[in-house]
Formats: sequence, C-alpha cells, structure tokens
Amino acid sequence: EVQLVESGGKLVKPGRSLRLTCLASGFTFDDHAMHWLRQTPEKGLEWVSSISWDGGSIGYAVSVKGRFTISRDNAKNSLYLEMNSLRPEDTALYYCGKAHQRDTATYYEAWGQGTLVTVSS
Amino acid sequence: DIVMTQSPDSLAVSLGERATISCKSSQSVFFTSNKKDYLAWYQQKPGQPPKLLIYWASSRASGVPDRFSGSGSGTEFTLTISSLQAEDVAIYYCQHYYTFPVTFGQGTHVEVK
Repeated sequence: EVQLVESGGKLVKPGRSLRLTCLASGFTFDDHAMHWLRQTPEKGLEWVSSISWDGGSIGYAVSVKGRFTISRDNAKNSLYLEMNSLRPEDTALYYCGKAHQRDTATYYEAWGQGTLVTVSS
Repeated sequence: DIVMTQSPDSLAVSLGERATISCKSSQSVFFTSNKKDYLAWYQQKPGQPPKLLIYWASSRASGVPDRFSGSGSGTEFTLTISSLQAEDVAIYYCQHYYTFPVTFGQGTHVEVK
C-alpha cells in the first residue's frame, strides 16, 4: 500500500524558516517524480514544487521561487521542502504528491494526509 | 498559466440520479503527438486529501467505481457520476498536467438533494 506521511508543519513567525519532510513507502520511490502542493480555502489547490526521480529536474511556482528549496534522498525514501522567508500567504495545508512518472508535469497517483503550516506573528 | 474553470460551484442531486460536472481550460490540453488530453479528476472528502479518480481525461484510476466516468477533449471536459451514492458526497476537482505549472479548478461541491 502506498503511504506518504508529511511532517514538520507548525506555527511560525513571518520571515522564519521551516523544513517539511515526506516519508514514502509502498512503492519504488526512485521510479517517480515527487511534488509538493498546498491547499487553502481561499486559493484552493496549488502546485508548489516538483523534483524528478533523480533530482536532476526541479521546478517551483513563481510565488515560492527563490524562497523554497525541494530535495529528495532516495536512499531514505524521503522528500523535503526547505521553506525560507515565510510569509502569511504561505499559510496552507502542504501535501506531498506521488507523480505517475519519473519527471514532467503529472497527475498525482497518491497524496499524503498533509501537514499544516501557519505563518503568523 | 492555464486557468481551469469548473461549473457549477455546487450541485445537489438525489440518490441514484446523475451528477455532471463541467471543467473548461483556458487553452487546449490536448497533446497532438500522442493524442492524449492531459486532464485529471479528483475527489476530496472532508478531512482527507484528494483522491485520483480519472486521468488522461477518461481513464479510471484503480479501484474507482465504474459509475464515475470522464469525457471531453481539448478545452471542455465532463465528470459524470451515473448514479449518485451517499459516499460520493465530496468536492471534485479537475487538474491539467499539460505543462508547468499544473493548475486545478476551484472545485465543485456535490451533495445529496
């Protein structure tokens, strides 16, 4: 059974940093690109960042480019999102998503339960 | 960015009746080289993450009941629930994956009349 478990979300002040982790199991992790997405009641579902199976291809939404860094450790079946210079508009439930293939834009075969990031003073 | 627009925003259907949700993209998501539409549908129930229902516009994901079907091509797509069951109450989203950034529709809330 495919499982994606996010962690690391919490309440932080604007300008601070946070690192999210997604631990994957139940599938061959390095056969798939992985993505971070987020959801808010106001903006709905939003793609944040993606990383190809080998880390060689990375993409970011314009709203987070230059502040967020995605990475993965295939030996640990783990996906990460380093979030710097956090803003109130980054407040959201963050999901990791399993891509259906190794790279490129994709649909999501599985999602984690999400981890809540709240940016507020 | 490709804008995905769903209609209606909410829909009330009697149990056993048909529910139809529309999704329109601001540009075509049909890729001519492989003749595929880069369009997916998801179901999200309260407190749960989205669940993949349909990909390539009309292919059902594993384990999805056959009362769910997807159709359409180019810029206009439809998700149909042929006979609404109580467990189908949820928000439904379309998503294109034609290019980055992938984007989602605003969601359609389906409830029982």
